[in-house]
Amino acid sequence: AQTVTQSQPEMSVQEAETVTLSCTYDTSENNYYLFWYKQPPSRQMILVIRQEAYKQQNATENRFSVNFQKAAKSFSLKISDSQLGDTAMYFCAFISFQGAQKLVFGQGTRLTINP
Amino acid sequence: DTAVSQTPKYLVTQMGNDKSIKCEQNLGHDTMYWYKQDSKKFLKIMFSYNNKELIINETVPNRFSPKSPDKAHLNLHINSLELGDSAVYFCASSLSGTDYEQYFGPGTRLTVT
Repeated sequence: AQTVTQSQPEMSVQEAETVTLSCTYDTSENNYYLFWYKQPPSRQMILVIRQEAYKQQNATENRFSVNFQKAAKSFSLKISDSQLGDTAMYFCAFISFQGAQKLVFGQGTRLTINP
Repeated sequence: DTAVSQTPKYLVTQMGNDKSIKCEQNLGHDTMYWYKQDSKKFLKIMFSYNNKELIINETVPNRFSPKSPDKAHLNLHINSLELGDSAVYFCASSLSGTDYEQYFGPGTRLTVT
């Protein structure tokens, strides 16, 4: 069974700083997707960024980028120039191409951006 | 227009009652899901339907029964509610054969007293 681990329950940085959230996963499959979702206090789940396992190039979306290390099964999220609105729970998630497509989530990291 | 909507957003009820949560998506997706987020914020899938057919049924008590009248709707009925059912329930949808992104509803906070 696939598992996703986020080892940082909480993180806190100052506004405009760069922060990196860690995520590792375990799977025997070769083709899959990885996601980072953001859940602000409104509790809405918002997709931040996605990475296809067969693509070697790291995904980027404006201030958000990932460091995808397939061999190490690591998928970290870097937030540059952090803003107050980035304060949220961040979830790393895995989905396999095979079988029923269910998202497997990590435990989440609570990120606080301080003014 | 809201892509994935859930009703109600908040639900407070007593132990032993039966309640339903409704979900609708207007994205033209063919797959819908129910996830449960517990008090520690952990998210776990409960059910998934593809074209009205149940394809994922995780280890969930029989008191939980999903129903999909059509591709755009997936409802969750819960019988004999227990204190441990208190959680946030998220509906999500996706289009099979694409990039596997799931779109989430706003969640329903269920409180059982």
